[in-house]
Amino acid sequence: EVQLVESGGGLVQPGRSLRLSCAASGFNFDDFAMHWVRQAPGKALEWVSGISWNGGITDYADSVKGRFTISRDNAKNSLYLQMNSLRTEDTALYYCAKDWYSSSWYWFDPWGQGTLVTVSS
Amino acid sequence: QSALTQPPSASGSPGQSVTISCTGTSSDVGGYNYVSWYQQHPGKAPKLIIYEVSKRPSGVPDRFSGSKSGNTASLTVSGLQAEDEADYYCSSYAGGNNLVVFGGGTKLTVL
Repeated sequence: EVQLVESGGGLVQPGRSLRLSCAASGFNFDDFAMHWVRQAPGKALEWVSGISWNGGITDYADSVKGRFTISRDNAKNSLYLQMNSLRTEDTALYYCAKDWYSSSWYWFDPWGQGTLVTVSS
Repeated sequence: QSALTQPPSASGSPGQSVTISCTGTSSDVGGYNYVSWYQQHPGKAPKLIIYEVSKRPSGVPDRFSGSKSGNTASLTVSGLQAEDEADYYCSSYAGGNNLVVFGGGTKLTVL
């Protein structure tokens, strides 16, 4: 069974940093692109970032470009999101999601249960 | 404000059909056949129910169907059941700065 388990969320002050992790199991992690998608409380889904199977291609939403960095460690079956210069508008539940392909950003399945990031002073 | 436009709500009685629209532009929905739909129950993670405009992943009932015309994609739920009550989000590859865009979501109520 494919499992994605996010961790690392919490309460952080504006301007500070946080690193999210996603532990993957049940599939060949290094065959697939991976993504982070977030959902602010009561709001819609927003794609944040994607990374290809080998980390060679990374992309970001304009809203986080220059502040967030996605990375992966295929040896550890893990995905990461380094979030710097956090803003109150980054407050959201952050989901880790598996792509169906190795280096495309088409559709995501499955998703983890999410980790909550709250940016507040 | 989401890139793709969905109606905020939709409803139908058990056994009826309901269609949810998703309107984008020629840069996303109209430009690619990479439209997908997700179902999200309260407090749960989204679940892929339609990909590549009209294909269903294994295990998704054939009551769910998708289509596209021009810049508008649609999700139809036939034979509504109580468990279909959820939020539904469309998504499309966009090929620009924001490579993946989502709709604002539609809350489906089964009356």
